Parts: sequence; structure tokens; C-alpha cells
Amino acid sequence: QLQLQESGPGLVTPSETLSLTCSVSGGSIINRNYYWGWIRQPPGKGLEWIGSIFYGGTTYYNPSLKSRVTISVDASRNQVSLKLSSVTAADTAFYFCATTYLGTVYYFDSWGQGPLVTVSS
Amino acid sequence: DIQMTQSPSSLSASVGDRVTITCRASQRVNNYLNWYQQKPGKAPKLLIFAASSLQNGVPSRFSGSGSGTDFTLTISSLQLEDFATYYCQQSYNTLYTFGQGTKLEIK
Repeated sequence: QLQLQESGPGLVTPSETLSLTCSVSGGSIINRNYYWGWIRQPPGKGLEWIGSIFYGGTTYYNPSLKSRVTISVDASRNQVSLKLSSVTAADTAFYFCATTYLGTVYYFDSWGQGPLVTVSS
Repeated sequence: DIQMTQSPSSLSASVGDRVTITCRASQRVNNYLNWYQQKPGKAPKLLIFAASSLQNGVPSRFSGSGSGTDFTLTISSLQLEDFATYYCQQSYNTLYTFGQGTKLEIK
């Protein structure tokens, strides 16, 4: 079972860039059975998929965030990173790192703890 | 985008009750439908994938059914630990979308 652990600042200033890292243990990021992705959840609200990446570098982004999002993989560190630029208060949310298992049907089967990132001056 | 609509948005029930939650997709998603359980302060947990397949370790009182646009999650006999929020999610296309959630509360 893969374990995912997010890390990064819990407070980001408006108009700046939110940066989070997901460290993967229990397996390698170089795995053709998974996408590595990010999902967020504003406090008290529902889940929104941000984007996913395959270890080879192919990315898929939510069109609503695509202009501001970059997801990347560092295979040497077994980490996945998220950058979200030009943040506003609307980007305040719990940010989850999650694996997408690429079976007959794709699903999110391992999740990180999901730290809260607050956008505020 | 494929819109996912769950009903009800909230539900009160008692231990031992049989509960059904419905999820409707705005277009056909075949069986590319998954269900998650989320407890306060925790990450979502996968319960059901491919509409009706039970994830390893999930109790058999949970079951899923449906295909196309209409799906259900059923809990056959509610236990105390089942009171949580439940989400459906489609993976028919890469723009993955979730339902708004159904909060299951103790009556």
C-alpha cells in the first residue's frame, strides 16, 4: 500500500504561488499502474480534482485551473509537486495528494492527509 | 464537464437501518463510477469502484449498483462508524468530477 505525505506552507499570500510536495513511500513513482494527482476541498465543501501526472511526465489538468497549475514529478526523490499561481482566497482548501489506479476503471485509491492551505495577507 | 448529482444531500438514519444514496450523471459514464466515504478531518476512503466492485477491506454491508447515468450506494445495516459523508465520482473522462456529497447523520 502506497503512503502519501504532503508538505508545504500552510499560509500563502494572495497573488503569490502555492507550492506543495507529496512524498511517496511504499513504492516507486515509476509505476505504469498509477497517475499521481492532486484534489482539493474548500472547508465545508466538496471535492475538486486539480490535475494528474504520469511518471513519464504526461499531465492532465482541470480546465478551470489549467492556466494556473503545474504538476511535476521528481523520480529521484519519489515526489510529486503542485504549483498554483496567482492565488486568491477562493483557493483556500485542504489539498490532497492521491494516486489514480489505472485499472479497467480509474479510481483514487491512496490519499495523503490533506493539509489546509489558507490564502490570506 | 460531466455533472454528478447526489440525492439526498443529507440523511438521518439509525443504527441497523438500510440506507440508499443515489448518484446521477449528466451523461452516460457506463460503469466508470466510484464511491468514497469521508469522515471529519480525514481524507476520503475508496469504498466501491467500477460501480459495484468492493474495495479490499471494505465491509460487505456496502454495495453499489447501476450503469449508464444512474447509480446507488447501499448500506445494508448501518453501523456507528458509517456515519460520514459519501461522494460519488466519475472517471469516464479525464476531467474527473465528484458529486456534492451526502452527509449521513445519526437520527
